Amino acid sequence: IVLTQSPDTLYLSPGEGATLSCRASQAVTASYVAWYQQKPGRAPRLLVFGASTRATGTPERFSGSGSGRDFTFSISRLEPEDFAVYYCHQYGGSPFTFGQGTRLEMK
Amino acid sequence: EVQLVESGGALVQPGGSLRLSCAGSGFTFSDYSMNWVRQAPGKGLEWVAFISSRSASISYADSVKGRFTTSRDNANSLLFLQMDSLGDEDTAMYYCSRGTSMAPFTSMLYWGRGTPVTVSA
Repeated sequence: IVLTQSPDTLYLSPGEGATLSCRASQAVTASYVAWYQQKPGRAPRLLVFGASTRATGTPERFSGSGSGRDFTFSISRLEPEDFAVYYCHQYGGSPFTFGQGTRLEMK
Repeated sequence: EVQLVESGGALVQPGGSLRLSCAGSGFTFSDYSMNWVRQAPGKGLEWVAFISSRSASISYADSVKGRFTTSRDNANSLLFLQMDSLGDEDTAMYYCSRGTSMAPFTSMLYWGRGTPVTVSA
């Protein structure tokens, strides 16, 4: 399954909301889609799994939704520490795959 | 506290081999599936390999199939990635990760810091 994220880069200011998209080339089994945040030089951090379940410790401003082929990740009000790269990931069937990433940049 | 520590990364010549290890602690290693994920310099994440908790199910990305082999030693809480016929395209930071839950297919909650592999003459 190929995952295509959009946009590649999103320029926003702190306090604004962000919406990231992830489209799969075919339906993802049981909405087994996760979202990760990665900062430079760091390992990825799981934020959302099962399309919409926040991982332990994930702030409530982060949310995920979607099913089938279309998934969305949202940040309600951006904090300075949220500017990073975000990846979607499907684990519904092998081979597992990641999207190419969306870079969230400060305007 | 859950910890994953990768080791074994090195500079290796094209065509060479390398064996990566990942030591898990702070959890019952044999209960969880594990993955290897890599990231080439300046690029995105690429899933490499999956191994279920008791090694009954193993799968690989097409880009490494036939060249890489993952295995685990549950008695010693160790995960391995044997990499053969290495090429320039295998240069990357290699991460091991642990499943979020004990389900066979799961997202990746815990990650190590990674071990760098450089393939160059």
